[in-house]
Amino acid sequence: GAVVSQHPSRVICKSGTSVKIECRSLDFQATTMFWYRQFPKQSLMLMATSNEGSKATYEQGVEKDKFLINHASLTLSTLTVTSAHPEDSSFYICSAVPLLGTRNEQFFGPGTRLTVL
Amino acid sequence: AQSVTQLGSHVSVSEGALVLLRCNYSSSVPPYLFWYVQYPNQGLQLLLKYTSAATLVKGINGFEAEFKKSETSFHLTKPSAHMSDAAEYFCAVTAGTGNQFYFGTGTSLTVIP
Repeated sequence: GAVVSQHPSRVICKSGTSVKIECRSLDFQATTMFWYRQFPKQSLMLMATSNEGSKATYEQGVEKDKFLINHASLTLSTLTVTSAHPEDSSFYICSAVPLLGTRNEQFFGPGTRLTVL
Repeated sequence: AQSVTQLGSHVSVSEGALVLLRCNYSSSVPPYLFWYVQYPNQGLQLLLKYTSAATLVKGINGFEAEFKKSETSFHLTKPSAHMSDAAEYFCAVTAGTGNQFYFGTGTSLTVIP
């Protein structure tokens, strides 16, 4: 149980295009999902907190117009990197907090490797 | 507010030797503490967690960690390292109930044959 998927697992795009990354909780409902960014050999940096049915809360320094987050249902949150540039290349990981049960734990997706050419 | 500090960004041990990865935390409320392992180009896999029950927590793959409130520590240990343990390890703390996780900077474990 408590499986989180991300799609795609890997994406390569041209500079200036937009990329959408999906995060799904497969066997549980999640009111809260988190989006992290991880640079090579570094820790996870929280980008934003996504709450179902409301606007995402962004961490300081994260451009909300560049990283659009939509949490349309209790099992799906999407992160859209708009007008991507090479410096946006990174590993993006989402996590989800179960609506019921173990709410002190986050379940992580497998990550999405974004490469912007 | 919560934070964690992982001492030692790189740790090398011989195969069969004791593994000790250090994590100290800071929390203004009773913490929930986690250890995750990450293999290259993969997400995080939960090794173990402390959620205010037993202070000695046993996890997967032979790992365990002990919560020591007096030392504000949650060090990860394994009696005998295996080659497959080579990976990046992250300690994390949260206040619980859907709150934000705070991750340490990670420790890269190398196992020498």
